[in-house]
Amino acid sequence: NAGVTQTPKFQVLKTGQSMTLQCAQDMNHNSMYWYRQDPGMGLRLIYYSASEGTTDKGEVPNGYNVSRLNKREFSLRLESAAPSQTSVYFCASSGGRGTDYGYTFGSGTRLTVV
Amino acid sequence: AQTVTQSQPEMSVQEAETVTLSCTYDTSESDYYLFWYKQPPSRQMILVIRQEAYKQQNATENRFSVNFQKAAKSFSLKISDSQLGDAAMYFCAYWGTSYDKVIFGPGTSLSVIP
Repeated sequence: NAGVTQTPKFQVLKTGQSMTLQCAQDMNHNSMYWYRQDPGMGLRLIYYSASEGTTDKGEVPNGYNVSRLNKREFSLRLESAAPSQTSVYFCASSGGRGTDYGYTFGSGTRLTVV
Repeated sequence: AQTVTQSQPEMSVQEAETVTLSCTYDTSESDYYLFWYKQPPSRQMILVIRQEAYKQQNATENRFSVNFQKAAKSFSLKISDSQLGDAAMYFCAYWGTSYDKVIFGPGTSLSVIP
């Protein structure tokens, strides 16, 4: 099925460990995004890529890095995980600026840092 | 900067009744899109309904309809004949045509009482 695929769905890390969250879309979308969702905080943008070859910081980029590997794939890396990064992470994609259908979301990754 | 406000953190509705979720936004743009997303306990983000700012007619999708008041910058969601499956977090969202990303409100948690 066409859509946005995120892996893994669940992950437990120890403080200081690193990991990469993977995201791939098969809708030929230009733009991709990483959000985190915390209780009472809504969705907060970590990084986004408006087009292949570009990345920009969102509201909460500290502690994260991203790579737009190609048009399909946009990964999020935690270099040294901290308990404050315990959250649910969503990847999303869109056709780009002003797209009238908004985002298509992945199913999310629940990350726990102990 | 654009902002989206949802003033009702939590709401409840009796099954088969009607409920309205409120959303206001702040923008200086004249051309934009508005969305309501639903997030059930499965955490999947689902697009419920969208509205194009240049269209005066309110959008409708089955039991879901909006009341779009452009001058007042208001975009409320009405759910008719509420069902147990409507229980979810609902996010109002804004996308200006000159911006690379969607702005989300903080969400309203809707409970449906049998």
